[in-house]
Amino acid sequence: GENVEQHPSTLSVQEGDSAVIKCTYSDSASNYFPWYKQELGKRPQLIIDIRSNVGEKKDQRIAVTLNKTAKHFSLHITETQPEDSAVYFCAARGGYSSASKIIFGSGTRLSIRP
Amino acid sequence: GAVVSQHPSRVICKSGTSVKIECRSLDFQATTMFWYRQFPKQSLMLMATSNEGSKATYEQGVEKDKFLINHASLTLSTLTVTSAHPEDSSFYICSARYAISGRDEQYFGPGTRLTVT
Repeated sequence: GENVEQHPSTLSVQEGDSAVIKCTYSDSASNYFPWYKQELGKRPQLIIDIRSNVGEKKDQRIAVTLNKTAKHFSLHITETQPEDSAVYFCAARGGYSSASKIIFGSGTRLSIRP
Repeated sequence: GAVVSQHPSRVICKSGTSVKIECRSLDFQATTMFWYRQFPKQSLMLMATSNEGSKATYEQGVEKDKFLINHASLTLSTLTVTSAHPEDSSFYICSARYAISGRDEQYFGPGTRLTVT
């Protein structure tokens, strides 16, 4: 089955700087890669996603890149702000045989230093 | 749109009792829902995939007789933790698949914190 690895587990950046979180996946048939933000005690919130037919997607300060050949995808947050502090999860959805289930990475705890 | 609710938000039960958690898609129909559990400071671990009108598909290592899943309608899935033990204490989160108008995404409920004493 699908396996998603995420790095780093913790990340601390100065307010205003950029943050990058990287993930790899194992199932070459995976075709959908969402990113979720989870604040303490709350539900994961979908912040951006990318499908396998594109290499990059941007939404304001957030961008995601996908390298299908290497099975890598990354989240980039620019001009970080205190409210960006949270745990971020990458995820991958497998191919048709996977019944659309989404498998999560281990998470990155992002802290923004004022 | 794409709102998922979960009830209860918190529950405390005694060891040996059963607890039912409900997951509802409020403004869309979800043929597929998913149940996850999350331990403190850990990731979300998929427990099972719930399909409306059919049996749930459980992930390896998840006991189907302990975690009973019923998806009786297009807007409701339930998870029953039977004969609960303290090690079942966790944050249980459901998600619903939103596959409408070319979109295919998952939206999460707010979670249920289960404490077994």
